[in-house]
Amino acid sequence: QKEVEQNSGPLSVPEGAIASLNCTYSDRVSQSFFWYRQYSGKSPELIMSIYSNGDKEDGRFTAQLNKASQYVSLLIRDSQPSDSATYLCAVKLGGTALIFGKGTTLSVSS
Amino acid sequence: DTGVSQNPRHKITKRGQNVTFRCDPISEHNRLYWYRQTLGQGPEFLTYFQNEAQLEKSRLLSDRFSAERPKGSFSTLEIQRTEQGDSAMYLCASSSPGRNNYGYTFGSGTRLTVV
Repeated sequence: QKEVEQNSGPLSVPEGAIASLNCTYSDRVSQSFFWYRQYSGKSPELIMSIYSNGDKEDGRFTAQLNKASQYVSLLIRDSQPSDSATYLCAVKLGGTALIFGKGTTLSVSS
Repeated sequence: DTGVSQNPRHKITKRGQNVTFRCDPISEHNRLYWYRQTLGQGPEFLTYFQNEAQLEKSRLLSDRFSAERPKGSFSTLEIQRTEQGDSAMYLCASSSPGRNNYGYTFGSGTRLTVV
């Protein structure tokens, strides 16, 4: 069983819509969860971190965490073409290093 | 804060040759990580340092791979006897306790092509 799973997509949404990206993880003791954005040919950049159950909002981004269901999601409101990228979910699974999912490719059409 | 710096940006080498990559982390970050990323995949963890101590290594890190961080500052990743399967983007990241609680800052990566 893969440790961090994401739907690879592509997820296509029209400009202005809400994009919903999902991630599940295997280790119940995980405490730290991160979302990274990666543009084609570039390195990942940190968007958000979340540690407690519930929602965390930062501008157009909302991260949601449900530890009982081992599920973390990222909502992007008012999606823009510039949001088109691969979104990587990362989880600290027991050890120290982050384990990344394969990423979900988001395409926002204008 | 000049970010995480990696050199070289690109490396083309013949199979069987040795290659070495360098990573300069953000100066106040005490943790440094190496990842490898291939097309369509997320970054795969290779190894991590806290200061100069190498604290964790992935099973992906075969005996052809070695990493050092001699003074707890920059780090090098060496691949000996390169194979075509080593072709990938090698990413370095650094972190420290803080607002993002060990969220990483990545460098631009070194793209290795083994021919």
